[in-house]
Amino acid sequence: GAVVSQHPSWVICKSGTSVKIECRSLDFQATTMFWYRQFPKQSLMLMATSNEGSKATYEQGVEKDKFLINHASLTLSTLTVTSAHPEDSSFYICSAPRAAHKSTEAFFGQGTRLTVV
Amino acid sequence: AQSVTQPDIHITVSEGASLELRCNYSYGATPYLFWYVQSPGQGLQLLLKYFSGDTLVQGIKGFEAEFKRSQSSFNLRKPSVHWSDAAEYFCAVGPMEYGNKLVFGAGTILRVKS
Repeated sequence: GAVVSQHPSWVICKSGTSVKIECRSLDFQATTMFWYRQFPKQSLMLMATSNEGSKATYEQGVEKDKFLINHASLTLSTLTVTSAHPEDSSFYICSAPRAAHKSTEAFFGQGTRLTVV
Repeated sequence: AQSVTQPDIHITVSEGASLELRCNYSYGATPYLFWYVQSPGQGLQLLLKYFSGDTLVQGIKGFEAEFKRSQSSFNLRKPSVHWSDAAEYFCAVGPMEYGNKLVFGAGTILRVKS
């Protein structure tokens, strides 16, 4: 079963409003989570690294005031798209690393499709 | 610079035929290599991964991949494709020390014709 849960799966919002997306690790603690964005017919691009207990680290070109990230606990990170515009419409997906034998594996949430109208 | 190249945007194969999806990477350190599959509207599912050891790795759903350091390649293969394999496939590379700050290829869309 899923080890990373993302909610909601899809959301439609009006321009100018804010939308919060949650990413939860279900049976393990994740001090770090990653947020990716996927434009239509393109690959996933890393937006930011969410760090529990400290500020998120944003990739170059990602507006930190537009995409607010809060790592509230060891199992929850949230991405808030503030003052959303149609160009923010995209597929957002989170991942959380979980330690396994001799390695660390990324587990992905099911993604959130955001449509801004 | 870190990058992953998947040269084939679309591939169409007949059901029962063999499949190979190409992936080349450029990475400064020892790479962790992954193949993920994404069905429409779904998240990513890990097919297989390579960190070290045997360069031919087996994954779920009958997939395998071979790591070739000399060619900086990590091609995905399946001997006999099923209609349910139609999806988009992503190759990704990440750093050992961080584990998961992944760089993805652009993806290859697989179509299966009956």
